[in-house]
Amino acid sequence: QKEVEQDPGPLSVPEGAIVSLNCTYSNSAFQYFMWYRQYSRKGPELLMYTYSSGNKEDGRFTAQVDKSSKYISLFIRDSQPSDSATYLCAMEVESSASKIIFGSGTRLSIRP
Amino acid sequence: NAGVMQNPRHLVRRRGQEARLRCSPMKGHSHVYWYRQLPEEGLKFMVYLQKENIIDESGMPKERFSAEFPKEGPSILRIQQVVRGDSAAYFCASSSGTGALAYEQYFGPGTRLTVT
Repeated sequence: QKEVEQDPGPLSVPEGAIVSLNCTYSNSAFQYFMWYRQYSRKGPELLMYTYSSGNKEDGRFTAQVDKSSKYISLFIRDSQPSDSATYLCAMEVESSASKIIFGSGTRLSIRP
Repeated sequence: NAGVMQNPRHLVRRRGQEARLRCSPMKGHSHVYWYRQLPEEGLKFMVYLQKENIIDESGMPKERFSAEFPKEGPSILRIQQVVRGDSAAYFCASSSGTGALAYEQYFGPGTRLTVT
């Protein structure tokens, strides 16, 4: 079993829709949770960084962490064609420069 | 642009040759990480370095692969005697190691290695 599971998609939604992206994980020691966006043939770009359970909002993006269920989500409101990319969840046990474990990524396409 | 820089962006090597990938971290960052990404897969951690020190190389194959981050100059990921299975995108990330965002990792554009 992979430490981090993520549905690869592809996920296609119309412009303006709310997008929900999810990951599950098996290691209960993970405490730091991240979402990265990766455009084709580019490096990942950090979108959200959260610690432990709870919600964090940044503009149209909301990250949720439920440690009891080992489940994290990223919501995108008012989705735009420019949001079309691969979204990677990531997590680490400690923030003290330990290695990050990535999900395999979900390909998202927003239809104009 | 003070972002993470990687070169070359594309590298073609024949089987058995050596590949050298370079990474210059963001200005002010002293922590460097290397990841490998195979097609349709997520990033896999390889090695974490600070200046002149390897902190964690648990993700790096024991043979043919090595990494360094000298006191001066970029970090280098070296792959000796490349094989077709080494074909992948190699990403470098850096973090500052200090302050509130000490360990947020920022990624470079990657080097795409093709072994023929």
